[in-house]
Amino acid sequence: AQSVTQLDSHVSVSEGTPVLLRCNYSSSYSPSLFWYVQHPNKGLQLLLKYTSAATLVKGINGFEAEFKKSETSFHLTKPSAHMSDAAEYFCVVSDYQAGTALIFGKGTTLSVSS
Amino acid sequence: GAGVSQSPSNKVTEKGKDVELRCDPISGHTALYWYRQSLGQGLEFLIYFQGNSAPDKSGLPSDRFSAERTGGSVSTLTIQRTQQEDSAVYLCASSPGGAELYEQYFGPGTRLTVT
Repeated sequence: AQSVTQLDSHVSVSEGTPVLLRCNYSSSYSPSLFWYVQHPNKGLQLLLKYTSAATLVKGINGFEAEFKKSETSFHLTKPSAHMSDAAEYFCVVSDYQAGTALIFGKGTTLSVSS
Repeated sequence: GAGVSQSPSNKVTEKGKDVELRCDPISGHTALYWYRQSLGQGLEFLIYFQGNSAPDKSGLPSDRFSAERTGGSVSTLTIQRTQQEDSAVYLCASSPGGAELYEQYFGPGTRLTVT
């Protein structure tokens, strides 16, 4: 069965400093992996996705993630945090056995201070 | 363009009552998904439709939960005899299908409170 583990429930950074949100996955297949973001009182928005093409994936708002099969990781990074990045971030794997339903991690809350 | 819409945005109901939650997917999207987001449980998959059929109902938490989709478009999630543990945000997502099967677009959710 597929699963994801987000290693930090809360990450705090200062504006202008790098962001690292960690995610490890478990999958019986070659996985499709995603990062979604949820701003307060807003819907889930797709940040980026990995579907077995390039291992370094670039997403919206300057975020990127690198698929590392040897480490079963898919960490999300951004070189310089902005106040508007404060939100909850979900690492997600697609479950082929459930019609490609998405299996979500527990989420990481990102706080950005000025 | 129009995204996924859900109604109502908020629903408060008494324990034991039935509720219906509605999802309007993006026009032309063949796949539709229901998820539940609750405190302490994170986001969990409930049911998936491809067209009007639901090949996977494995995520429905009990037989009080059911869902249907008509005309390959609108879907309704019904919860019978609601319990307090049903309180959560219910999210709907749709997907184009085909090569883009895995990219899902989410609606704003329905916040259900069972008193």
